[in-house]
Amino acid sequence: NAGVTQTPKFQVLKTGQSMTLQCAQDMNHEYMSWYRQDPGMGLRLIHYSVGAGITDQGEVPNGYNVSRSTTEDFPLRLLSAAPSQTSVYFCASRQTSKNIQYFGAGTRLSVL
Amino acid sequence: GNSVTQMEGPVTLSEEAFLTINCTYTATGYPSLFWYVQYPGEGLQLLLKATKADDKGSNKGFEATYRKETTSFHLEKGSVQVSDSAVYFCALSDTGNQFYFGTGTSLTVIP
Repeated sequence: NAGVTQTPKFQVLKTGQSMTLQCAQDMNHEYMSWYRQDPGMGLRLIHYSVGAGITDQGEVPNGYNVSRSTTEDFPLRLLSAAPSQTSVYFCASRQTSKNIQYFGAGTRLSVL
Repeated sequence: GNSVTQMEGPVTLSEEAFLTINCTYTATGYPSLFWYVQYPGEGLQLLLKATKADDKGSNKGFEATYRKETTSFHLEKGSVQVSDSAVYFCALSDTGNQFYFGTGTSLTVIP
């Protein structure tokens, strides 16, 4: 039972570097999303996808890109990292018709 | 718009104490309500849910009742254990299945 798998678990970047956070799910869920978790602010939605080839912006999309070429994968790209992007990132998935989300274990990102 | 407000922490309790974490919401329509739990170093896990007014969600000794008249979904447990130490998030999903999370409440249970 892999569920939602995120890699890496930890990452340190320098300002201006780029990287991709990986997310994969094996439950054939149509809906996938990325959140960031910051102290005192809970989880905020960055981007989401309702199916392969379809993505949309959430509450805090600036500085992030996503794509959804397959049902299983939903990578999050930081093109030019900034210290304000230091956070814990969670990927989640669910069936579109159901409202129970399944979360990955998270990626802790520090941008220096 | 939709939003969730939950009590700020951190909360520290002795083992076997009674726990209440308050959660209120603002929403249009008829949202579903959730409590998620996040153990150290892990992602969020669904703890319990309720989909309509007066429903009671329960799991692992935790309970919460969907109160439409007070727009609340308070989490309770009669006797907490050290293993309940975690961060608890209240959340709602609207009719479009978009999720809104509270800021989280950190609970530490000491022996």
